[in-house]
Amino acid sequence: DAGVIQSPRHEVTEMGQEVTLRCKPISGHNSLFWYRQTMMRGLELLIYFNNNVPIDDSGMPEDRFSAKMPNASFSTLKIQPSEPRDSAVYFCASVGTGQETQYFGPGTRLLVL
Amino acid sequence: TQLLEQSPQFLSIQEGENLTVYCNSSSVFSSLQWYRQEPGEGPVLLVTVVTGGEVKKLKRLTFQFGDARKDSSLHITAAQPGDTGLYLCAGDGFNAGNNRKLIWGLGTSLAVNP
Repeated sequence: DAGVIQSPRHEVTEMGQEVTLRCKPISGHNSLFWYRQTMMRGLELLIYFNNNVPIDDSGMPEDRFSAKMPNASFSTLKIQPSEPRDSAVYFCASVGTGQETQYFGPGTRLLVL
Repeated sequence: TQLLEQSPQFLSIQEGENLTVYCNSSSVFSSLQWYRQEPGEGPVLLVTVVTGGEVKKLKRLTFQFGDARKDSSLHITAAQPGDTGLYLCAGDGFNAGNNRKLIWGLGTSLAVNP
């Protein structure tokens, strides 16, 4: 079975540019999580969806960040405009109905110059 | 605010040695998960502990949940280079808005040298 798929795996961009990260959860999973990981702050939950509906976006750092889940098989995390402090690894994870285990994608390593 | 503190932050040992890493909090968690993350990959769940005092074994790894469900430990016997990675603990808690969420520690970065 395919796991969680994220694209791109690496992104290098300049400050001020728009960045879009993509995630395809495991088929049949109904919850999707976006995380950001840095050395200083570890794994931080940005937002999570349940049945495509955003449930908790309290971790989204500011209005420059937005996330969508138009259907059960696709989600995006957008940063506009990007800033150097957004440089981090962004992970997407999905969870099956009634389950507890989060299955993580390989992450997108973002570098904003 | 619920926090999980992991120690040590970094650990470098020789193959064959034993080690223990810790995950501590002042808060009570209904369950606690341990993940291992290898370089360039996402975290992978190793085990979930639910009952205070519970001990679970996964080959050479032994996980224990504290009696009060505020802390946990991971003991590795005869470490192998393949055990190298970042070990993360995550507790089932709540955020400021009383929404259920995983509370993550910063992790213990383990290097096992051959």
